[in-house]
Amino acid sequence: GEDVEQSLFLSVREGDSSVINCTYTDSSSTYLYWYKQEPGAGLQLLTYIFSNMDMKQDQRLTVLLNKKDKHLSLRIADTQTGDSAIYFCAERYPGGYQKVTFGTGTKLQVIP
Amino acid sequence: SAVISQKPSRDICQRGTSLTIQCQVDSQVTMMFWYRQQPGQSLTLIATANQGSEATYESGFVIDKFPISRPNLTFSTLTVSNMSPEDSSIYLCSVDRRGEGQETQYFGPGTRLLVL
Repeated sequence: GEDVEQSLFLSVREGDSSVINCTYTDSSSTYLYWYKQEPGAGLQLLTYIFSNMDMKQDQRLTVLLNKKDKHLSLRIADTQTGDSAIYFCAERYPGGYQKVTFGTGTKLQVIP
Repeated sequence: SAVISQKPSRDICQRGTSLTIQCQVDSQVTMMFWYRQQPGQSLTLIATANQGSEATYESGFVIDKFPISRPNLTFSTLTVSNMSPEDSSIYLCSVDRRGEGQETQYFGPGTRLLVL
């Protein structure tokens, strides 16, 4: 299966941490990604993690991967109003042209 | 990373007409991808465009409705034919970047299409 699911909405206060969750169904995924889409803009690649890793940290972003539970999360430390956007997780499948499937997207609202 | 531009950035079109969207990449790439993002929805892959061969379409998308050209390794076009209001979406092109232990997909800014 190629379902990638996310909660639709998350609201946090400025300065708090945000945790956006994603579940996927295909255990053969090679890479998993987080993209950010601001209003009226395209998709910006935030970070990615290879499937043999458990964690990746990049400045305020921490990605956690639980392969057993097929669960991916993105933690944003010290969330700012500029982080308000829709966040998409995506997974890449091996073989062929290695299709990338996107999640449903989580809208993050940061309250000042 | 990759620098990707799309033209037009947005358009308003009449039902029954066609629109061709251009995608330009700053370096040569093997595969380019076209996605559709309907209002409030996630991204759906329309087709994969390889230079020198016919595009590969995903289930639910056909060449007559979404013809694609890939004349060289830095450019592709997607045409939305015989448009209806249901075609109102953001259309995004993307490319793969591989190397240095990573495989990532980068996106253009998108073309916002409204069909009246």
